[in-house]
Amino acid sequence: EADIYQTPRYLVIGTGKKITLECSQTMGHDKMYWYQQDPGMELHLIHYSYGVNSTEKGDLSSESTVSRIRTEHFPLTLESARPSHTSQYLCASSDTGIGYNEQFFGPGTRLTVL
Amino acid sequence: AQRVTQPEKLLSVFKGAPVELKCNYSYSGSPELFWYVQYSRQRLQLLLRHISRESIKGFTADLNKGETSFHLKKPFAQEEDSAMYYCALAGDGGATNKLIFGTGTLLAVQP
Repeated sequence: EADIYQTPRYLVIGTGKKITLECSQTMGHDKMYWYQQDPGMELHLIHYSYGVNSTEKGDLSSESTVSRIRTEHFPLTLESARPSHTSQYLCASSDTGIGYNEQFFGPGTRLTVL
Repeated sequence: AQRVTQPEKLLSVFKGAPVELKCNYSYSGSPELFWYVQYSRQRLQLLLRHISRESIKGFTADLNKGETSFHLKKPFAQEEDSAMYYCALAGDGGATNKLIFGTGTLLAVQP
């Protein structure tokens, strides 16, 4: 079934740890996105990718990094987690075509850094 | 600067009452605007987009370029409409497919 998967759904981790948030999609989409959302705030685009080996930084500066080695996989990594990284992280994907293409969202990962 | 403003964090109405969720945008070009919705324990999903000019689940939204608004309306609210609603802007005509979101409005429909 075509879907977007994010793991883990919840993560509580200590300061200084390296973490990777996984995002995979079986939608067959070329474009993928990572958004960060603090409680009560808007979603901010932090990374996006147009395809394999393509990654760009989004509108909100983030200390995280991403990679796109396979079309279906777009992991996000924090080398050294800090309490300021506590947030919800949403992954999305979209098709490629003329004009705007609907973004489909994953269930999100809620990260807490102690 | 491109910006989306949703002035209300919470809108509480009774079942059967009309609903209007406000959205204002700032964009110098010709925008594409959307409403996304997130029901409890569900994912964020597209509700409607202005170029479609269609009604989804009884909701409509009209782009008013003069007032730079894209308010979401429904004449008679239902309890199942209770959700978080986000207004979003594709600020470059969809060229990069990037979205700018507002802070969202929580709609609570009371029985």
